[in-house]
Amino acid sequence: EVQLLESGGGLVQPGGSLRLSCAASGFTFSSYAMTWVRQAPGKGLEWVSAISGSGSNTYYSDSVRGRFTISRDNSKHTLYMEMNDLRAEDTAVYYCVKGCGSECYWGYDWGQGNLVTVSS
Amino acid sequence: DIEMTQSPSSVSASVGDRVAITCQASQEIVNFLAWYQQKPGKAPKLLIYGASTLQSGVPSRFSGSGSGTDFTLTISSLQPEDFATYYCQRGNTFPLTFGGGTKVEI
Repeated sequence: EVQLLESGGGLVQPGGSLRLSCAASGFTFSSYAMTWVRQAPGKGLEWVSAISGSGSNTYYSDSVRGRFTISRDNSKHTLYMEMNDLRAEDTAVYYCVKGCGSECYWGYDWGQGNLVTVSS
Repeated sequence: DIEMTQSPSSVSASVGDRVAITCQASQEIVNFLAWYQQKPGKAPKLLIYGASTLQSGVPSRFSGSGSGTDFTLTISSLQPEDFATYYCQRGNTFPLTFGGGTKVEI
């Protein structure tokens, strides 16, 4: 059974930093692309960033490029999102999403979500 | 970036109704489109990818159609567990934009 367990969220002040983690199990982690998707309170889904199975290819939305960095440690079966210069508009539930192959990014499996709140 | 526009934003329906939700891309995306279902307080669930391929385990009352810029998600006979919000997502080039969502209400 695929399991994706996000952690690292919480309350942070504007301009601060956080690192989200997503511990994966139940599949060959290095064989699957991974994605972060967020959802602001009461709003729709927003695609944030993705990384290929090998980690060699990374992609970002315009809203986070230059502030967020996606990475993965295939030996630890863990996905990361380093978030810097956080803004109020980054407040959201962040979902870790497993793709359908090494370079296939459909959201086959989703974590339970992790809330990040940016507020003073 | 390619914009994804869903309509309607909400629809009221009854159990047994046929419901159709549309998604329009601002540029050609061939068949690189997925549909997701999200229930309140839960993570989204993939229903359809490649515009018309049903994800494993998804009931056959769900179907997807379309290509190019215009796509449709159809629920042939609405069941109580289908009341949820539905999102489309394009998958041809990054960023993999979502539509704004369609809430299916009783």
